[in-house]
Amino acid sequence: AQSVTQLDSHVSVSEGTPVLLRCNYSSSYSPSLFWYVQHPNKGLQLLLKYTSAATLVKGINGFEAEFKKSETSFHLTKPSAHMSDAAEYFCVVRPVPGYSTLTFGKGTMLLVSP
Amino acid sequence: DGGITQSPKYLFRKEGQNVTLSCEQNLNHDAMYWYRQDPGQGLRLIYYSQIVNDFQKGDIAEGYSVSREKKESFPLTVTSAQKNPTAFYLCASSIEKGEGNQPQHFGDGTRLSIL
Repeated sequence: AQSVTQLDSHVSVSEGTPVLLRCNYSSSYSPSLFWYVQHPNKGLQLLLKYTSAATLVKGINGFEAEFKKSETSFHLTKPSAHMSDAAEYFCVVRPVPGYSTLTFGKGTMLLVSP
Repeated sequence: DGGITQSPKYLFRKEGQNVTLSCEQNLNHDAMYWYRQDPGQGLRLIYYSQIVNDFQKGDIAEGYSVSREKKESFPLTVTSAQKNPTAFYLCASSIEKGEGNQPQHFGDGTRLSIL
C-alpha cells in the first residue's frame, strides 16, 4: 500500500528563521510527490511537485523540497519564514503512476511568531 | 480566469435532509474529485470521475452520491444516510491524460454543518 507520513502535526518558528516540514512516503513505484498549502477556510494551493528530472524542487513563495530515495523522504524547507507562511501544509503522493487519485498526509500546521 | 467554483461557501442541513454541493470548473479538465476534510484527518476521497457519465467510489462513499452529466460539473449530494456530515468539503480537478505528475487543482470548499 502507498502511504505518506507527515512527522509533525505542528511546527512553530519565529519570523526570519528556517522552516522544515518533514514528510516520508512509501511507494512500490517511482512516486509522484507534491506539497500543498491551505490557508484557513480555503482550498489547497500547489506549492511544488516532484518530477524525476531533479531531486531538488523549487516551488512558489521561496519553498523547496528535496527528494531522497534512499530515505524515502520529501521534506519541505524555506530559508526564512514570513508571517504569511502560517498555514497548514500537506504532503501528497500519487500511489500509482498515471493513476488519477492521490494519497494525502494528515497535514502539518505551521505557526509563525513575530 | 480559469478555476474551480464551489457553492455555497456555508451550508446547513437539518436532520433527515439531503443537500447538494455544487462544483463547477472551467479548466477543461477531464477528472474531478470530492474530498472530505476533518480536523487532523487530512483529506479523504469520497468520489471521483475520470470522464463524463462515469464515476467511482473513493474511501468514504457511504452516505454520499454524485453525478457527472457534464464535463465541467460534478455535484455532490450528502444524503440523510450520512450520519456525521459536518465537515469541510473540497472539490478538485485534474488533467487525466499525460504525465503521471499532473497535480489536482482545488476549489475554496463548502463548510457543511448540522442544525
